[in-house]
Amino acid sequence: SQKIEQNSEALNIQEGKTATLTCNYTNYSPAYLQWYRQDPGRGPVFLLLIRENEKEKRKERLKVTFDTTLKQSLFHITASQPADSATYLCALDPLPYGQNFVFGPGTRLSVLP
Amino acid sequence: EAGVTQFPSHSVIEKGQTVTLRCDPISGHDNLYWYRRVMGKEIKFLLHFVKESKQDESGMPNNRFLAERTGGTYSTLKVQPAELEDSGVYFCASSQGVGSYEQYFGPGTRLTVT
Repeated sequence: SQKIEQNSEALNIQEGKTATLTCNYTNYSPAYLQWYRQDPGRGPVFLLLIRENEKEKRKERLKVTFDTTLKQSLFHITASQPADSATYLCALDPLPYGQNFVFGPGTRLSVLP
Repeated sequence: EAGVTQFPSHSVIEKGQTVTLRCDPISGHDNLYWYRRVMGKEIKFLLHFVKESKQDESGMPNNRFLAERTGGTYSTLKVQPAELEDSGVYFCASSQGVGSYEQYFGPGTRLTVT
């Protein structure tokens, strides 16, 4: 069956360290994968999109990798700050190049001062 | 530029009643999406409009849900009659045009059916 898993429900790290979040998928062949941030009581906020032919994408302190062989994306936040504490969601297109998105369950990241 | 807005922010209704949720996308965005998150579950796609046309409604749970997008601007999602399992947070998102994958989400409407 088709499935998206994110490494853990919650992740605690110390301020200044690098947070690494994992998104694994099964029985999908996405053309692209997205990462969103969601704060309590708010809608998801788009962070990064990476396409199947891209290995890595960066934006400021954020880095995303996409390995279509392993069917995995890694999301890194370097020099993490307490303000980075939020739930992070990965999403992919179940039909390649479609605009219908499937979301993972999310990982709740807490950056401790 | 105003973001995606949703109304109401919260709605509490009794089973069997009707509720209409409204979404105003970012001006000029052709694509409008509805999603739902029920308690403890992931966000699930409901449907996608391109302008006023339904592009994909494969995620609509059943015929108690009716979505419209008048004139390709705002959209409404009506639930009639509401059931207990319809409780959750309903998100609307919009994106610009063809091949535009970056979606801008609204704050959501929390629906509670008692």
